[in-house]
Amino acid sequence: ETGVTQTPRHLVMGMTNKKSLKCEQHLGHNAMYWYKQSAKKPLELMFVYSLEERVENNSVPSRFSPECPNSSHLFLHLHTLQPEDSALYLCASSQARTASYEQYFGPGTRLTVT
Amino acid sequence: AQSVAQPEDQVNVAEGNPLTVKCTYSVSGNPYLFWYVQYPNRGLQFLLKYITGDNLVKGSYGFEAEFNKSQTSFHLKKPSALVSDSALYFCAVVDNFNKFYFGSGTKLNVKP
Repeated sequence: ETGVTQTPRHLVMGMTNKKSLKCEQHLGHNAMYWYKQSAKKPLELMFVYSLEERVENNSVPSRFSPECPNSSHLFLHLHTLQPEDSALYLCASSQARTASYEQYFGPGTRLTVT
Repeated sequence: AQSVAQPEDQVNVAEGNPLTVKCTYSVSGNPYLFWYVQYPNRGLQFLLKYITGDNLVKGSYGFEAEFNKSQTSFHLKKPSALVSDSALYFCAVVDNFNKFYFGSGTKLNVKP
């Protein structure tokens, strides 16, 4: 369970705040992912990084800005969020961005936008 | 549109009884299929996957899943449920372009 860590675990922020979510993987993987999990909805894949290059951006609003400085770290920078952005944000990694590899997930950051 | 369906929001089963959590998909080509489990306040954990070969796949904690190409289904099964199996289960499908599709999840309740 310590293969992928996320901080903070809980975050409450106002609509005008700027904050960042951090993800770190200790598995030597080359691909990392950000997901949004809302109740009773399918997991929404937000961003995919492969070898530190963003390879997928699924129509995510610009108020979410990802950053991948190296293969072990992934950030999600947040600014001027909306209440509907409140959700559990999950980070995941996989050995490579290849369909056959399973993903390893962190525990998530529970975000509340007030 | 490509999608994954988990038709049951919740499945209730008594401990010791067999369980089935259903998943059907509408994804073109020869997709790869996965099951993940999420315990409260935790991230998703990989259970099993189908890539190719035998249609019956065995995974962690005694779970198995059967791939049925004609019915485009990948139902999760376990012969004898445990109370500790109570959790949220997600089916995921990856197409030939490495595009991921997750279902909305099924909450499994196993009662003593």
